[in-house]
Amino acid sequence: GAVVSQHPSWVICKSGTSVKIECRSLDFQATTMFWYRQFPKQSLMLMATSNEGSKATYEQGVEKDKFLINHASLTLSTLTVTSAHPEDSSFYICSARSYGTSGYEQYFGPGTRLTVT
Amino acid sequence: RKEVEQDPGPFNVPEGATVAFNCTYSNSASQSFFWYRQDCRKEPKLLMSVYSSGNEDGRFTAQLNRASQYISLLIRDSKLSDSATYLCVVNSESSGDKLTFGTGTRLAVRP
Repeated sequence: GAVVSQHPSWVICKSGTSVKIECRSLDFQATTMFWYRQFPKQSLMLMATSNEGSKATYEQGVEKDKFLINHASLTLSTLTVTSAHPEDSSFYICSARSYGTSGYEQYFGPGTRLTVT
Repeated sequence: RKEVEQDPGPFNVPEGATVAFNCTYSNSASQSFFWYRQDCRKEPKLLMSVYSSGNEDGRFTAQLNRASQYISLLIRDSKLSDSATYLCVVNSESSGDKLTFGTGTRLAVRP
């Protein structure tokens, strides 16, 4: 199957700083990538849909000025958590969508564990 | 009401047991259905798609009942390595082709 990478896999930062997470589709081009967040013992919650070359679409309740998304190429999307606070500590997972023989398929990155102290 | 509801479990079963998970979804316009598996502190991985006629992949059988908006996953001959959280996932064009995840059902298989 297709491979999606994320970097970094974990990060610890101080409150008030910004953190950038990269999501790359390694062996396919993805016009659409998704960013999810998962808190302990909860389901994945979609934060935003990122389309190459256009502005991201954010889900209700997600602050677009706090979670900056850039999808500058068909293989790379970035999520920047600005002015991070301890409540932003979570598991951030991206996924990339490709169109296969059985329709759209989504492949997930390994996730980035963010801890804000 | 949550869009996708699952019994959180945990289901504790011995090796070799058969276990079934259920899931209900609220959007009748949903078109695609999946079971994902998520190991602790890892990303979800697609286990299998769920087709209207039901489908089987080795020890795993998935069923879909559109009238009741109900999806199931049956695991036969459970292995220790099956221990994980199983996520019911639904997709619909009306939600912009976005995946909606259930909270997952945790399975623990004991020796």
